[in-house]
Amino acid sequence: QKEVEQNSGPLSVPEGAIASLNCTYSDRGSQSFFWYRQYSGKSPELIMFIYSNGDKEDGRFTAQLNKASQYVSLLIRDSQPSDSATYLCAVSSGTYKYIFGTGTRLKVLA
Amino acid sequence: DAGITQSPRHKVTETGTPVTLRCHQTENHRYMYWYRQDPGHGLRLIHYSYGVKDTDKGEVSDGYSVSRSKTEDFLLTLESATSSQTSVYFCAISPSQGQETQYFGPGTRLLVL
Repeated sequence: QKEVEQNSGPLSVPEGAIASLNCTYSDRGSQSFFWYRQYSGKSPELIMFIYSNGDKEDGRFTAQLNKASQYVSLLIRDSQPSDSATYLCAVSSGTYKYIFGTGTRLKVLA
Repeated sequence: DAGITQSPRHKVTETGTPVTLRCHQTENHRYMYWYRQDPGHGLRLIHYSYGVKDTDKGEVSDGYSVSRSKTEDFLLTLESATSSQTSVYFCAISPSQGQETQYFGPGTRLLVL
């Protein structure tokens, strides 16, 4: 049973729209939540991290965490073609263990 | 960008041969990790290290061993490579466990024929 679930996509959005990426997790003890962006053939790079319930904004990106419902989401406003990539959700329970979802592929259409 | 390098970046080898991948960091971070990434499976932890000579197994450690003799270097060894170990291998580092993000190296593409 997967511990971090993501829709594999592709999620297609037009340029300028809001892209909404979702992730659910099974471990209620999870404490830290991360979103990574991975371009094809490249390594994951951190976009956002969030520890507390609610929203966290950084530029065009907003991470949302709801621990009661065990989901975390990433909103990308004013989506650009350069945002086209695979987005990985990762969850940590405060130990060495980071669990990654399989990623959602986002396509922003010009 | 975090100072992480991996070598080699690409390798083709034959079944049954030993292979060693190297991860080198210049950040002096305590924690280092080896992952493999395969289609449909995402990133899976192979081994991790929480200090010099301190290592532990991850979820897919069978067929792999690691060593860390210096803070900056973390080696992953496939003792006898198999075709199922064809994958992209990523090294990651973190200053602490769990609370802070991991920073990834550029990856090593390994093909076992």
